[in-house]
Amino acid sequence: EIVLTQSPDTLSLSPGERATLSCRASQSVSSRLAWYQQKPGQAPRLLIYDASYRATGIPARFSGSGSGTDFTLTISSLEPEDFAVYYCQQRSNWPPEYTFGQGTKLEIK
Amino acid sequence: QVQLVESGGGVVQPGGSLRLSCVASGFTFSGYGMHWVRQAPGKGLEWVTYIRFDGTTKSYADSVKGRFTISRDNSKNTLYLQMDSLRAEDTAVYYCARDLTGSSHFDYWGQGTLVTVSS
Repeated sequence: EIVLTQSPDTLSLSPGERATLSCRASQSVSSRLAWYQQKPGQAPRLLIYDASYRATGIPARFSGSGSGTDFTLTISSLEPEDFAVYYCQQRSNWPPEYTFGQGTKLEIK
Repeated sequence: QVQLVESGGGVVQPGGSLRLSCVASGFTFSGYGMHWVRQAPGKGLEWVTYIRFDGTTKSYADSVKGRFTISRDNSKNTLYLQMDSLRAEDTAVYYCARDLTGSSHFDYWGQGTLVTVSS
């Protein structure tokens, strides 16, 4: 089973600052990695798929990079609505399993 | 607009059964694979199961294999999750999610339905 490890667990920043969130896979996932945002009491929302493609309606301040085992989600300038929990997710080819990282909580400093 | 609406959650005793439903609208349901993903209270996300657009392929997480069954009725735009032999550790919010075609990700999610397994 491929394990995804996110860092840090909690990130404290102020609006307007740049946020950098990391996700490391225990073995290569090529570019089969996505990022989701989840706010309290809400369903997750897809932000980035295939490592670097923004999903429909996602602002340009969100960007993803990486391949293989190391991935990054960058929020260029934090807006108040960006404070939430962020999860990375991958799918392994065989067996066909989907796994999530443990999440990074982005909180207001 | 794409909408996914889950129902069927509730409180059930250990060993009991429950069937969840997810009604889809705003897209051609029969053209998309679908998933169930769950989230235990205060915890992270866990993928549960997947079904191909035509129902011919299904896959399950090890934690639910042999106990849960995914199915769909494309004539009713509805996805199902039959949950048997429920355990306390199955307590979670269950989300249905659409498969992003050509990728390995989930592009639209329902609002979730809470399943509580407790005596």
